[in-house]
Amino acid sequence: QKEVEQDPGPLSVPEGAIVSLNCTYSNSAFQYFMWYRQYSRKGPELLMYTYSSGNKEDGRFTAQVDKSSKYISLFIRDSQPSDSATYLCAMSLTGANSKLTFGKGITLSVRP
Amino acid sequence: DTAVSQTPKYLVTQMGNDKSIKCEQNLGHDTMYWYKQDSKKFLKIMFSYNNKELIINETVPNRFSPKSPDKAHLNLHINSLELGDSAVYFCASSPPWGGGTDTQYFGPGTRLTVL
Repeated sequence: QKEVEQDPGPLSVPEGAIVSLNCTYSNSAFQYFMWYRQYSRKGPELLMYTYSSGNKEDGRFTAQVDKSSKYISLFIRDSQPSDSATYLCAMSLTGANSKLTFGKGITLSVRP
Repeated sequence: DTAVSQTPKYLVTQMGNDKSIKCEQNLGHDTMYWYKQDSKKFLKIMFSYNNKELIINETVPNRFSPKSPDKAHLNLHINSLELGDSAVYFCASSPPWGGGTDTQYFGPGTRLTVL
């Protein structure tokens, strides 16, 4: 079993839809949870960062962490064509700048 | 002003050759990384250096040898290239290790194709 599992995708939604992206993990010692966005032929960039359980909101993006279920989610409200990218969840034991374990990524396409 | 840069951007080579990829960061970070992203977009850490010292060495064939001449540079040399080495290699850098909330900053990637 991989340490981090992510819904495989791809995912295609109409503009304006609410998107839910999810990851599960097996290592209960993970404390730091991140979502990276990667546009085609570019490097990943940090989108959201959460420490331990809880919710975090940033504009149209909400990250949720449920450590008891070992489950994290990223919600995108009012999705835009510019949100079309690959989304990778990542986790770490000791910080966002430490060894990151990534999910496989899901490719999202938002149709105008 | 590019934060993390890699050269070359594309590399096409024959099986058995030796090649190098270079990475430079101008963020003043202490820690640098090499990641491999396969054709299915799975991103996996290979190595990490903190201030020129190797701190992570994942299960990577010893044909891969990283070198950090100073804390702003981290190069990756690959000997005897194999078909399975075809991937996108990303360099990243971050502030000091552990407990930080600042992130890793990724370079644009080097797309390696082994024929």
